[in-house]
Amino acid sequence: NAGVTQTPKFRILKIGQSMTLQCAQDMNHNYMYWYRQDPGMGLKLIYYSVGAGITDKGEVPNGYNVSRSTTEDFPLRLELAAPSQTSVYFCASSYPRGGVTDTQYFGPGTRLTVL
Amino acid sequence: QKEVEQNSGPLSVPEGAIASLNCTYSDRGSQSFFWYRQYSGKSPELIMFIYSNGDKEDGRFTAQLNKASQYVSLLIRDSQPSDSATYLCAVGGRGAQKLVFGQGTRLTINP
Repeated sequence: NAGVTQTPKFRILKIGQSMTLQCAQDMNHNYMYWYRQDPGMGLKLIYYSVGAGITDKGEVPNGYNVSRSTTEDFPLRLELAAPSQTSVYFCASSYPRGGVTDTQYFGPGTRLTVL
Repeated sequence: QKEVEQNSGPLSVPEGAIASLNCTYSDRGSQSFFWYRQYSGKSPELIMFIYSNGDKEDGRFTAQLNKASQYVSLLIRDSQPSDSATYLCAVGGRGAQKLVFGQGTRLTINP
């Protein structure tokens, strides 16, 4: 299994440009997540999905959009990029069992710079 | 606002000693607790999880949970230079399947 994969690894955008960060998992996990991590900080949840066709906002959703058409893929769309979106973006997935929050497995990350 | 607090460090520990990392959380309804290790420029990787009060040991790592005090800790015995990393505490609530992360503690093991 490849686990959670993300593309691209690095990207530089100009202010106002748009792009899509790709995330895929081959573990048949129904839950998927997008986080951003600013330097020296923890992870902030942007959006998450509990299954195909179902998404919900996290703590910092402004400036981003998501879709989930398949179990495997969970792309993150940035519209009108701003310098404040310079960050490292991590995708994660989990397969909850029982009522407690289960372990999340992370992709390698995408380092995005907006100039 | 659910919060998870960690001392950002850096925490410096001599090789072979015990490193102690601490985390407090604000939501009394929290039910699952995770420690992730993150090397510089890499993604977080799971070290341990704990659901019940008390201690849980896995090799050189011990997680300790005290729900009454809303406190979770990670002990690393016989610290090695390869343990030098940032350690993230994450807390999950019932059913929501979302984690709240602390800002991380940077640990340096000195040879």
